[in-house]
Amino acid sequence: AAGVIQSPRHLIKEKRETATLKCYPIPRHDTVYWYQQGPGQDPQFLISFYEKMQSDKGSIPDRFSAQQFSDYHSELNMSSLELGDSALYFCASSLGQTYYEQYFGPGTRLTVT
Amino acid sequence: QKEVEQNSGPLSVPEGAIASLNCTYSDRGSQSFFWYRQYSGKSPELIMSIYSNGDKEDGRFTAQLNKASQYVSLLIRDSQPSDSATYLCAVNADTGGFKTIFGAGTRLFVKA
Repeated sequence: AAGVIQSPRHLIKEKRETATLKCYPIPRHDTVYWYQQGPGQDPQFLISFYEKMQSDKGSIPDRFSAQQFSDYHSELNMSSLELGDSALYFCASSLGQTYYEQYFGPGTRLTVT
Repeated sequence: QKEVEQNSGPLSVPEGAIASLNCTYSDRGSQSFFWYRQYSGKSPELIMSIYSNGDKEDGRFTAQLNKASQYVSLLIRDSQPSDSATYLCAVNADTGGFKTIFGAGTRLFVKA
């Protein structure tokens, strides 16, 4: 079965640079979630989109923005990167508002030097 | 107080035993509850979802929900070394949206 696709899988950036992470949800899934997970920490909810509209916002810094496109893929844009932004970034998708079962992608490991 | 609380462990059980993982949550209006398994460096994998009070069984896994006590648990029967992972409890906040709160996870070690 098709899974959530994230790209790139690994990304190295320097401080103050920008980064764009991409997420392609499971086919027919219309809801996308973004999470940040630091070493030894639980996933922290950043933001979610349903039918291309932002539906919920968590602890997403103002330096970050995201959107969901007409084909339901999503991009997380990160600017003025800081060392503390180094983490695993997961995207998850679910089918509409039914039960909210989320399926996670493999993640993008971002390292800021 | 965190919105979703779990004992961080580690919880160590011998192979073949029952592992019991517990989770409490603070939002009384929560409606959807999930257990995810996460291996080190990998993404969380959904293993159980439960929405109503009582037990839900799927293979070696049983989820239990008690909304009155704001408590959800996961039992793993016949534990295997391959079950060794971090188990994350997740609760969908009652915001009418799509915000899911994760617990910090319980590390489980199954000794061969």
